[in-house]
Amino acid sequence: QSVLTQPPSASGTPGQRVTISCSGSSSNIGSNYVYWYQQLPGTAPKVLMYRNDQRPSGVPARFSGSKSGTSASLAISGLRSEDEADYYCAAWDDSLSGWVFGGGTKLTVL
Amino acid sequence: EVQLVESGGGLVQPGGSLRLSCAASGFTFSSYDMHWVRQATGKGLEWVSAIASGGDTYYTGSVKGRFTISRENAKNSLYLQMNSLRAGDTAVYYCARGGEIGFDPWGQGTLVTVSS
Repeated sequence: QSVLTQPPSASGTPGQRVTISCSGSSSNIGSNYVYWYQQLPGTAPKVLMYRNDQRPSGVPARFSGSKSGTSASLAISGLRSEDEADYYCAAWDDSLSGWVFGGGTKLTVL
Repeated sequence: EVQLVESGGGLVQPGGSLRLSCAASGFTFSSYDMHWVRQATGKGLEWVSAIASGGDTYYTGSVKGRFTISRENAKNSLYLQMNSLRAGDTAVYYCARGGEIGFDPWGQGTLVTVSS
């Protein structure tokens, strides 16, 4: 049971916009930044979004992040086949004094 | 190029010990927090432990008292000493650099299998 809650799956067709949610609590998302990671099949994760809504260099503008209260979202517009991957949210948890991840969302491009 | 390379994984019996290493290159290792994150086969990511640039250490609850994180800045190396291993510790263990943009980069991972 993950501290952060994500839907286990999401899907969309090429060109569509999909959103992945991440729900937490006051001790993690509510008081700290949210980070998003993308894990392509058979590879190590890579950072997709940091400090809620900041894209590292090299990440396309099709990816955007937001946070409100104790929840966060990752949006992918103009969906492409290469976006098919697992997506994880993460945040520091003040109560646990450690990092917590969501359970991950498997994105399928139909 | 910033690079992290893990080693030391393998098959170990329940109750046994293993020491993982992570060799860092391409950046000033001593200036960064470093992390271990694990992933059981077919499962999600789980943060395991961190060591700050100043030496403070942090652990997830399930490994406290069994795992010890350490670093050797002169060798640009991160370690994870794992004792009293359990079947539930079976996973790919990644080391990752911590920073403003989060965990970046990640190593390729090393597989730890705890089984009799």
